[in-house]
Order: sequence, then structure tokens, then C-alpha cells
Amino acid sequence: QKEVEQDPGPLSVPEGAIVSLNCTYSNSAFQYFMWYRQYSRKGPELLMYTYSSGNKEDGRFTAQVDKSSKYISLFIRDSQPSDSATYLCAMSPGAGSYQLTFGKGTKLSVIP
Amino acid sequence: NAGVMQNPRHLVRRRGQEARLRCSPMKGHSHVYWYRQLPEEGLKFMVYLQKENIIDESGMPKERFSAEFPKEGPSILRIQQVVRGDSAAYFCASSPRTSGAPGELFFGEGSRLTVL
Repeated sequence: QKEVEQDPGPLSVPEGAIVSLNCTYSNSAFQYFMWYRQYSRKGPELLMYTYSSGNKEDGRFTAQVDKSSKYISLFIRDSQPSDSATYLCAMSPGAGSYQLTFGKGTKLSVIP
Repeated sequence: NAGVMQNPRHLVRRRGQEARLRCSPMKGHSHVYWYRQLPEEGLKFMVYLQKENIIDESGMPKERFSAEFPKEGPSILRIQQVVRGDSAAYFCASSPRTSGAPGELFFGEGSRLTVL
């Protein structure tokens, strides 16, 4: 079993839809949970991160962590064509941990 | 304020040749990390360096791979005698310190190595 599982998609939605992206993990030591956005042929860009369980909202993006289920989600409201990218979840056991464990990424296309 | 700069962006090598990938961290950052993204795989940590020191190379393959971050100049990831399985995107990231929050880690645009 991989440490982090993420459905690679691709996922295609119409503009304005609510998008739900998910990851599951097996290592209970993970405390920080991150979502990165990666445009084609570009580097990962941090969208947001959460510590432990709970929700965090930033504009149209909401991150949720359920440590009891080892399940994290990223919701995108009112999706835009500019949101078309690959979304990577990543996790680490501590704030200063540089050994992030990444999912494979989910490729999202938002159709105008 | 320039971000993490990597070059070359694309590199093609034949089997048995050497590949050198360079990374200049963001201004003010003294910590450099290399990650590798194999096709259809997630990014995987390779090595963590500070100036003139390798701090953690636990993710580096035992043979043919080496990394350095000299006192002057960029960090270099060197792959000797490349094989087809080395074809991947190699990402460099930098941070101002190791004790910071995840938001302090910034990635470059990557160097894509193709081995023929």
C-alpha cells in the first residue's frame, strides 16, 4: 500500500462547478497536509496547508482533513478555466519536515 | 524577486552520458532540496543540502547520483552513466530555514531529463 493515494483522473468539469479532490494516506505520523497546484510543464505551487484535522478556507478553495479516516480533501467553488491544472496533495510529519510525501496528482480540466 | 531558477529546462542524453542539473535558490534562501518526479508517479524527495554540506541524502539512489551546493554558485545534481529509467522531471526547492512552515518551501519549474 502506497503511503499516499490520489486518483490521477483526469477530471473534467464545466465552468462554475464545485470540484472535489481527495487523497487517502496510511502514515498516522503525518500532521501537515498540503495542496499544490502544478500547471503543465511548471513547478508545484503551494495553494494551502492545514495542520492536523479540520477545515481551512482561502477564497474559492477549502481544505479539509479527517485524521480519523486518514482522508483529506480540497474543494474548489465556482471553478474557472484557469483552475485547469494538476493538483498534488502532500504530507509531512512536522512543520520543518522537508521530506514531503506527495500523491501522484489529479489532472483537472475546467471547460468554459 | 526571482524565484527558484533551474537549468537546463530540458536535457536530452544518450545512455551512458552524464547529466548535470543546476539550481539557484531564491534570494535569501540557503536550504536546497531536490525532488524527482518519475512518469505517472508523485514527487519523491532525493536530497537536502545547505551551503557546502549535504544534510540528508536518504532519497538518493546509491549509485551514479550525487549532489553539491558549493559556497559560490548553484546547487548541482549530477547523474553519471544515465539509463532510460532516469528519465524524469527533477525539481529543486528552496527555503530560508528548515524549521519554517510548509509555506516557506518554494519549487522551481523543473528540469526534464530524457534519456535516449
